[in-house]
Amino acid sequence: NAGVTQTPKFQVLKTGQSMTLQCAQDMNHNSMYWYRQDPGMGLRLIYYSASEGTTDKGEVPNGYNVSRLNKREFSLRLESAAPSQTSVYFCASGRDFKTEQYFGPGTRLTVT
Amino acid sequence: RKEVEQDPGPFNVPEGATVAFNCTYSNSASQSFFWYRQDCRKEPKLLMSVYSSGNEDGRFTAQLNRASQYISLLIRDSKLSDSATYLCVVINTNAGKSTFGDGTTLTVKP
Repeated sequence: NAGVTQTPKFQVLKTGQSMTLQCAQDMNHNSMYWYRQDPGMGLRLIYYSASEGTTDKGEVPNGYNVSRLNKREFSLRLESAAPSQTSVYFCASGRDFKTEQYFGPGTRLTVT
Repeated sequence: RKEVEQDPGPFNVPEGATVAFNCTYSNSASQSFFWYRQDCRKEPKLLMSVYSSGNEDGRFTAQLNRASQYISLLIRDSKLSDSATYLCVVINTNAGKSTFGDGTTLTVKP
């Protein structure tokens, strides 16, 4: 099992560019999550999907959109990147929203 | 006040020491609790769940105090390899909301 996979691993964007971060899990989990982690700080929830077909805002949703494409895949889109979105982005999944989450290796994004 | 608070440390301890971290939470509706370990620039990895009755996994013991609204992690006989940042996460299952603490950094020295 690959667990949770994320692509790309690294990305550099210019201000105003758009991109989509991809996440997939092979654990048949119902819930999926997107977090960002800034240097020296904790994880902040951007969006989550408690089950296929649903998405909800987390703590810091502004500037992002998500799509739960199917049970396996949950993508995060930056429509117009800003330097404040420079961060490490982690995707996670869990059996349901009450249980432990398993994380992907992260995408390191720099916006110049 | 943050929903979940941890002492950021750093905690610097010698090998073989016992060290404990606390994590306080403000929402009494919180129902699921976990500890994660995060190594530098890596993804968080699940360390252990926290049960009301307390639970142990080798050198690690986790406890929950609902009355005072905190969870704790005790590490006995610290190893160099225990050096990492330890994150607590609190889940409000009614709201489907998970909140991570900012983490406590542990450095175990020879």
